[in-house]
Amino acid sequence: DADVTQTPRNRITKTGKRIMLECSQTKGHDRMYWYRQDPGLGLRLIYYSFDVKDINKGEISDGYSVSRQAQAKFSLSLESAIPNQTALYFCATSDLTGQGDADTQYFGPGTRLTVL
Amino acid sequence: GQQLNQSPQSMFIQEGEDVSMNCTSSSIFNTWLWYKQDPGEGPVLLIALYKAGELTSNGRLTAQFGITRKDSFLNISASIPSDVGIYFCAGRSPIQGAQKLVFGQGTRLTINP
Repeated sequence: DADVTQTPRNRITKTGKRIMLECSQTKGHDRMYWYRQDPGLGLRLIYYSFDVKDINKGEISDGYSVSRQAQAKFSLSLESAIPNQTALYFCATSDLTGQGDADTQYFGPGTRLTVL
Repeated sequence: GQQLNQSPQSMFIQEGEDVSMNCTSSSIFNTWLWYKQDPGEGPVLLIALYKAGELTSNGRLTAQFGITRKDSFLNISASIPSDVGIYFCAGRSPIQGAQKLVFGQGTRLTINP
């Protein structure tokens, strides 16, 4: 079984709809992240969480919200989806490896979201 | 914000050739990571580098953390068809602390058999 799972894997929705993307992990990591991937732009951080109830904005948080109610789950919401939020969304987890500030991140399989 | 410049953006090579790609930054990083992404999947960690000058191998892959701490390269020797994919570098800046990784734009590798 995969250590980091995301649901759904694909979603098509309409402008103005509320969408929630779920991420679950069995790695026992404290830290979880949501990224967005667009062609030619690499991965950009939306939100991250270092522990339950801890929420921090990333590079592109506008239009998104997150919830971390349990160590193993981190959900991303689009309150009112718009077409330019069409992208691949990745969840990642990490834990300190003991190498100074090193913090290796492990990614889920991604959710392809299309907003019409 | 912090940015990484990754090059080349794409590569078209013959099977068996060696591959080299790199990432540079205008400021220092204290960690460099190299990921590979297959179509329809999330990035998978290939190599992690934690010290300036460090040279680390993982099978046919070799990566180095530049002495200036502003760059890193990834080499793939004797490429095979399963090496096809997008390769991302990622770095952690001491200025931003341990919270976040900054990703390069990716290098798309295509191999002709």
